Amino acid sequence: DTAVSQTPKYLVTQMGNDKSIKCEQNLGHDTMYWYKQDSKKFLKIMFSYNNKELIINETVPNRFSPKSPDKAHLNLHINSLELGDSAVYFCASSFQTGSSGNTIYFGEGSWLTVV
Amino acid sequence: QQPVQSPQAVILREGEDAVINCSSSKALYSVHWYRQKHGEAPVFLMILLKGGEQKGHEKISASFNEKKQQSSLYLTASQLSYSGTYFCGTPSYGGATNKLIFGTGTLLAVQP
Repeated sequence: DTAVSQTPKYLVTQMGNDKSIKCEQNLGHDTMYWYKQDSKKFLKIMFSYNNKELIINETVPNRFSPKSPDKAHLNLHINSLELGDSAVYFCASSFQTGSSGNTIYFGEGSWLTVV
Repeated sequence: QQPVQSPQAVILREGEDAVINCSSSKALYSVHWYRQKHGEAPVFLMILLKGGEQKGHEKISASFNEKKQQSSLYLTASQLSYSGTYFCGTPSYGGATNKLIFGTGTLLAVQP
């Protein structure tokens, strides 16, 4: 059983298109995240939701809109895709906010390529 | 601010040892270590919660020097399976919005 699952795994799309990535976790966690990993392998947090409430919104363009219908799901919608959006997007989850002793569990990643 | 890891990359032969360092410009309250194999998700290795704490996991161990604001990951008698990118993570506290900030990463390649 996959703990954190995200779809699609690979996504190739043209500039200007809109796309969504879906994420689900079955670990009973109350906090979910979106991380972006760029070509330099830096892992940067984008958003965090705790019990469906947005608690972290790093300086991310408005074209990115997360949505959490319930605490087990966190989706990411991206409007008007740009070349610079090409990256691997990881969904993750944990109890509370992932600080201190709470382990973060990552999904397998969604490879987004914008052409 | 993002913790800085050193070295950026290291190549080892099987059986050799390596040390990966993680330094922060801010106070460290805890340190998490993750390993990411090529094309896969980061996987949790261990957490150090207290200054002076040391932990071990098979032949991978870590230490946490709270005063120096740094942590080190020790890989002993490396195996091919140790290859990957290692990340440290430190919490950043800001009211209710605590978050885990990952370091710059260290690429470890173990060769036969």
